[in-house]
Amino acid sequence: SQQGEEDPQALSIQEGENATMNCSYKTSINNLQWYRQNSGRGLVHLILIRSNEREKHSGRLRVTLDTSKKSSSLLITASRAADTASYFCATALSGYALNFGKGTSLLVTP
Amino acid sequence: GAVVSQHPSRVICKSGTSVKIECRSLDFQATTMFWYRQFPKQSLMLMATSNEGSKATYEQGVEKDKFLINHASLTLSTLTVTSAHPEDSSFYICSAAPGTAVTEAFFGQGTRLTVV
Repeated sequence: SQQGEEDPQALSIQEGENATMNCSYKTSINNLQWYRQNSGRGLVHLILIRSNEREKHSGRLRVTLDTSKKSSSLLITASRAADTASYFCATALSGYALNFGKGTSLLVTP
Repeated sequence: GAVVSQHPSRVICKSGTSVKIECRSLDFQATTMFWYRQFPKQSLMLMATSNEGSKATYEQGVEKDKFLINHASLTLSTLTVTSAHPEDSSFYICSAAPGTAVTEAFFGQGTRLTVV
């Protein structure tokens, strides 16, 4: 069964706006990862946040983790058309095997 | 970052035939690789864990005889879809990671399989 559940399922914004995606999970985790997938392509790792971390930044990305609520959020600031993609959160099943959420489809219009 | 190459990127085959998909780690050795399947507009589902030199570990509901996995070297895992049917049409993605520290997994470009 899928561990992560993202919301919203789809998000449409204009360039320059911020995009926020949320992810909830069910079991205890060591870390949570966010990936990006352009249409019909492989996945690109964006950021990993460990269970003892509450917030992490990478460029225009900001990820938060609330282990008490079993939730995480991904914020993309000052979005660009090139940010259009699907975004997935993932938790580890074992080792590097990942359990992915359903994903958020982000559309950024110029 | 580490590079994982998957081939072919697209394949169309007739029902009843078999298709082999390759996953290579180009600049690192991977004792373990993973195969995922993704239906349109859905998430990735782990199919199996490919272990170098030993049998693959399949997730519940995945047919071992239909999805044959071979991990003969530290840089190559293959997934063979045997006797393919239209319902096997999907996007197949592999991943691998170097080392033992849990950091990130690297994914191949994916293979779009269409069975006609």
